[in-house]
Amino acid sequence: EAQVTQNPRYLITVTGKKLTVTCSQNMNHEYMSWYRQDPGLGLRQIYYSMNVEVTDKGDVPEGYKVSRKEKRNFPLILESPSPNQTSLYFCASSPLTGRSLYEQYFGPGTRLTVT
Amino acid sequence: AQSVTQPDIHITVSEGASLELRCNYSYGATPYLFWYVQSPGQGLQLLLKYFSGDTLVQGIKGFEAEFKRSQSSFNLRKPSVHWSDAAEYFCAVAFMDSNYQLIWGAGTKLIIKP
Repeated sequence: EAQVTQNPRYLITVTGKKLTVTCSQNMNHEYMSWYRQDPGLGLRQIYYSMNVEVTDKGDVPEGYKVSRKEKRNFPLILESPSPNQTSLYFCASSPLTGRSLYEQYFGPGTRLTVT
Repeated sequence: AQSVTQPDIHITVSEGASLELRCNYSYGATPYLFWYVQSPGQGLQLLLKYFSGDTLVQGIKGFEAEFKRSQSSFNLRKPSVHWSDAAEYFCAVAFMDSNYQLIWGAGTKLIIKP
């Protein structure tokens, strides 16, 4: 089944404790992206990647890191989480060619709480 | 700057009634247009998209949307809503020169009255 998976789905952590949210897709998509969703603000892009070893900042990159060492994986790293990073996080992937161009496929989301 | 506006934060509709959710964008170039749905506790799922051709597009779950270039709009419609349509709906727009970035509306939450 074609899908984007994220782990963990739920995470409660404390301020300053480094964490990683994993994202993996099995559709051989070149493009991957991380979003955060907060009430009333819609989806805001954190980072995106057009291909392996190519990453770029989105609208709200502060406090986050990403890496793209393999095509299928795009982990999101919070080196020192703070309470304002409490949010719902989504990973998405998209092909860069073909009929599904621009069409993003989303993971189920990771709800992060930082206390 | 490019932007996408969904003017209605919440909409309440009776089950069986028709629905229209509004989406407007600002930019002059030809857009690629999308509607996504997010059911409670779920990720986002593509409902439909417009790239070119017929400006009335059909999607999944009985939804359709019409692209009106003169109004910079891409409104989502359904003739008769079901209780299972209660969800949040997001409009998104991509432009040919936007480096594949989708610009998202803030979302419209649809509430269904029994």
